[in-house]
Amino acid sequence: ETGVTQTPRHLVMGMTNKKSLKCEQHLGHNAMYWYKQSAKKPLELMFVYNFKEQTENNSVPSRFSPECPNSSHLFLHLHTLQPEDSALYLCASVAGDTIYFGEGSWLTVV
Amino acid sequence: QKEVEQNSGPLSVPEGAIASLNCTYSDRGSQSFFWYRQYSGKSPELIMFIYSNGDKEDGRFTAQLNKASQYVSLLIRDSQPSDSATYLCAVPDYNQGGKLIFGQGTELSVKP
Repeated sequence: ETGVTQTPRHLVMGMTNKKSLKCEQHLGHNAMYWYKQSAKKPLELMFVYNFKEQTENNSVPSRFSPECPNSSHLFLHLHTLQPEDSALYLCASVAGDTIYFGEGSWLTVV
Repeated sequence: QKEVEQNSGPLSVPEGAIASLNCTYSDRGSQSFFWYRQYSGKSPELIMFIYSNGDKEDGRFTAQLNKASQYVSLLIRDSQPSDSATYLCAVPDYNQGGKLIFGQGTELSVKP
């Protein structure tokens, strides 16, 4: 238990669907990230939020839309995804150098 | 672009042996180094961090850092089948607010 909760744990969606991934942390941290992990590839940092403000977007396609309504919650809204977007999406709550990962959401786009 | 390099493996060792996992990094100014373990289907979990040159021991795990060679390693003594996982090396990029740059990970398989 890292204190970072992600839902859903597994999601299968069609290319025309709209869905959202949710991340919640009650660790008191002010920074939250979204990572993408594809098979046999390094973790890819997607978005960074500090104090609810997006401070980084690493050239992520607009079909991924993050939302951070408060310091404890982070969403990743998904629409018109492609099969190559199938991956493990990890939320992280960050304090200094230390990253606390959620369990991840396994996404399959069909 | 800062880089962190690891051999993807798989690295296979017999139970009870020492597993040696290696990582090189491109930023000579890097100050801290992290090792994460990721079991199949699970998220990464922090197992070791090291800031100073030399060795740092924690139970069966030893992290070794050589800043001159830009090299950090993780040794696992008395390897167990439960150590079978992917091990990720990570280095903060302080030009980007300290965000961790991850290597691709080394898959370790410990055979009974």
